[in-house]
Amino acid sequence: AQSVAQPEDQVNVAEGNPLTVKCTYSVSGNPYLFWYVQYPNRGLQFLLKYITGDNLVKGSYGFEAEFNKSQTSFHLKKPSALVSDSALYFCAVRAGSNYQLIWGAGTKLIIKP
Amino acid sequence: SAVISQKPSRDICQRGTSLTIQCQVDSQVTMMFWYRQQPGQSLTLIATANQGSEATYESGFVIDKFPISRPNLTFSTLTVSNMSPEDSSIYLCSVLPYWVAGGGETQYFGPGTRLLVL
Repeated sequence: AQSVAQPEDQVNVAEGNPLTVKCTYSVSGNPYLFWYVQYPNRGLQFLLKYITGDNLVKGSYGFEAEFNKSQTSFHLKKPSALVSDSALYFCAVRAGSNYQLIWGAGTKLIIKP
Repeated sequence: SAVISQKPSRDICQRGTSLTIQCQVDSQVTMMFWYRQQPGQSLTLIATANQGSEATYESGFVIDKFPISRPNLTFSTLTVSNMSPEDSSIYLCSVLPYWVAGGGETQYFGPGTRLLVL
């Protein structure tokens, strides 16, 4: 069965430090991987995606993610965290001809001043 | 991208009543979806709204409880019928602007409707 795992319910980072939000996946076929962010009382906003090509993908708000096929991971990263990055982050995967996204459980990111 | 609006943004309803949520997109889109999300939790797909035909429901969701309309390529409604407190949740409209088999297209989300059933 296809699945996405976000192993950390919550990640705490001090402002200015690098951050990583982890995501691993299990799919058959080539994966298409997505990161979304949800700020309090808001809908989901698209951050970035991996389709093919360069394993390092850059997205909105200074975020980037690295696709690692051997480790089946797609971790979200940012070199220097901002307090405004505090939000709920979702990893999602789509594989094959099925249009549906498979969602991770979400990771709450807290950036402390 | 696509700009999506939802109405109402929030509502408080009495059990046994029904609420219809509207989703409007600023451009024609291929696919529209309705999700449910408990605050702080992941998303659960309710159904895919098909233009001109009956919606496709996921396991655990039925048309009598969540009737969906999609009269054209920019608009859809989700009705939550005969509500109970267990229906209290965030309901999200989402769209795929276009779809080509392969899977790399980005899905966009509306701001959500926050429903509280008393």
